[in-house]
Amino acid sequence: GAGVSQSPSNKVTEKGKDVELRCDPISGHTALYWYRQSLGQGLEFLIYFQGNSAPDKSGLPSDRFSAERTGGSVSTLTIQRTQQEDSAVYLCASTRGGGIGYGYTFGSGTRLTVV
Amino acid sequence: GENVEQHPSTLSVQEGDSAVIKCTYSDSASNYFPWYKQELGKRPQLIIDIRSNVGEKKDQRIAVTLNKTAKHFSLHITETQPEDSAVYFCAASIYQAGTALIFGKGTTLSVSS
Repeated sequence: GAGVSQSPSNKVTEKGKDVELRCDPISGHTALYWYRQSLGQGLEFLIYFQGNSAPDKSGLPSDRFSAERTGGSVSTLTIQRTQQEDSAVYLCASTRGGGIGYGYTFGSGTRLTVV
Repeated sequence: GENVEQHPSTLSVQEGDSAVIKCTYSDSASNYFPWYKQELGKRPQLIIDIRSNVGEKKDQRIAVTLNKTAKHFSLHITETQPEDSAVYFCAASIYQAGTALIFGKGTTLSVSS
């Protein structure tokens, strides 16, 4: 596609429920990243996929968070048993190849609210 | 792992003044340092970046400087305009390894006319 597409744009869920957030990167971009943006907390790295390599999961805050990337394209971030502190904007970005000299292209994000 | 500190968290300037935002990083192996601008309600966008083989890079009213010895880099905006008002994020990573960018917590810049 022309840009990085994320869905849904907004999600309100009840505490304890599971949610799935979707990211569709730019066609041909092999690297995909998930970040979380909380108020006043900047952009917190969550997970990184590069081609067929094992993902870098070092930023996932707990085992309630997981992500997968099917066919080297679309990625889904899953949060199980959501908590209020999970409320944030979840941003996805993609780049060409493993090098990032061209800079990230971010999606518009999913605003998650846990009530 | 990499840790990036950014200061100040908020910055208010008058139109036409200069603005400087500073970042420090912890991993001496980091060699790629981009800056992103995020306007209210929008996604972050790359405005300028620098690699460790250069000490300064300019693009019109914005410039970035890098001091690898001290492990810090700065964004300079001259002749600020109201449309420069946004949140600015610095970041660092190891370019060749394709590692994920680690971001600072951001600086909210307000330019008043």
